[in-house]
Amino acid sequence: QVQLQESGPGLVKSSETLSLTCGVSGYFISSGLYWGWIRQSPGKGLEWIGSVFHNGDTYYNPSLRSRVNISVDTANNQFSLRVISVTAADTAFYYCARQILHNGYDFPDYWGQGTLVTVSS
Amino acid sequence: SSELTQDPAVSVALGQTVSITCQGDSLKNYFATWYQQKPGQAPVLVIYGKDRRPSGIPDRFSGSNSGNTGSLTISGAQAEDEAHYYCASRDTGGYHLLFGGGTRLTVL
Repeated sequence: QVQLQESGPGLVKSSETLSLTCGVSGYFISSGLYWGWIRQSPGKGLEWIGSVFHNGDTYYNPSLRSRVNISVDTANNQFSLRVISVTAADTAFYYCARQILHNGYDFPDYWGQGTLVTVSS
Repeated sequence: SSELTQDPAVSVALGQTVSITCQGDSLKNYFATWYQQKPGQAPVLVIYGKDRRPSGIPDRFSGSNSGNTGSLTISGAQAEDEAHYYCASRDTGGYHLLFGGGTRLTVL
């Protein structure tokens, strides 16, 4: 059974950097597939942030690309998210997910439980 | 870039059939993917591809696509189906993922 678990600070100060890590069990990241981050502001919808392939290739939501970096650590079977220059608008539940490829695009099949990150002033 | 549009809210009587729709240009080329999200929980994949269900998803859930519209149908809705449902697809303008705004399903 594939399991993902987000970890990182739940509180980040405005203008600073948000950093989260997703630990994966039950599947080796080095085996392939994309690994993604999705966020959800409280009471709002889902927003895809970006994804990383096991070889480090990435693609990002154009609206966040200038502030986001996603990296992979196959040795520790985990991947990470960094968002720079955060504001209150970045307050959200952050989910990590495995993405599978089917019918022309890849999408999340297994999700972490999510972690709330609050940006404080 | 493109968007996926969903009705904000839909209701269904217990045991009846309901369809939740998702509209967007990308759906002319790609099947919609559907997620169920209950309060305080992570989304769960319920439908992907041409009407495929992951293991453990009841067969009362089905999917279809026509033109620029994807549909999730629940045949014989149960009380436990009350949740938010989100569609997803690839953006036609680039290699990234879009989500619809979500539909809140109420089972009466």
